[in-house]
Amino acid sequence: GQQLNQSPQSMFIQEGEDVSMNCTSSSIFNTWLWYKQDPGEGPVLLIALYKAGELTSNGRLTAQFGITRKDSFLNISASIPSDVGIYFCAGQPFNDYKLSFGAGTTVTVRA
Amino acid sequence: NAGVTQTPKFQVLKTGQSMTLQCAQDMNHNSMYWYRQDPGMGLRLIYYSASEGTTDKGEVPNGYNVSRLNKREFSLRLESAAPSQTSVYFCASSQGAVSGYTFGSGTRLTVV
Repeated sequence: GQQLNQSPQSMFIQEGEDVSMNCTSSSIFNTWLWYKQDPGEGPVLLIALYKAGELTSNGRLTAQFGITRKDSFLNISASIPSDVGIYFCAGQPFNDYKLSFGAGTTVTVRA
Repeated sequence: NAGVTQTPKFQVLKTGQSMTLQCAQDMNHNSMYWYRQDPGMGLRLIYYSASEGTTDKGEVPNGYNVSRLNKREFSLRLESAAPSQTSVYFCASSQGAVSGYTFGSGTRLTVV
């Protein structure tokens, strides 16, 4: 699949802080998705984005589909301890139904 | 509604042993996938099945085989396990990529 570059690789954040992570690709995508993986579990879908420029929220999470179709970002506002986990971006190309995944951002929250 | 169920949750194998990882979904999804997750490498696609009766290689298929037994079940077989296959394995299903994937809770495999 296409290479997705996700950054940062990891982050330590203070409870209450806002955080941001992003994903870039050399290829354009039809759909961008963001997943969260809790320790010992499988990834769970957080947000799906279908249109270039789209900004979508899910509670304290906000994600945007980049206007070039080659990038996306995820913001978490007012971090809480349960935000701990690994966040993955995923992109679906126009000519394929299979997803390509980023390497993940590991989030650790300091109480 | 269980979603995607994987068995076993944990397994330790000796080098050269064989085993089959089981996956079943109850959402009537057409497509199913097997991924492996290794530290710092994200999720890498091993094999996938677009629909019942079809299977295709993904990014890292060497050392694995799959069977799409019916619409619900998609198994992954390691014929001769190697230490490089120590990983966490995830099964997923989808009705189409726009709906996203539903993942199982994973199988943690150690090959010694």
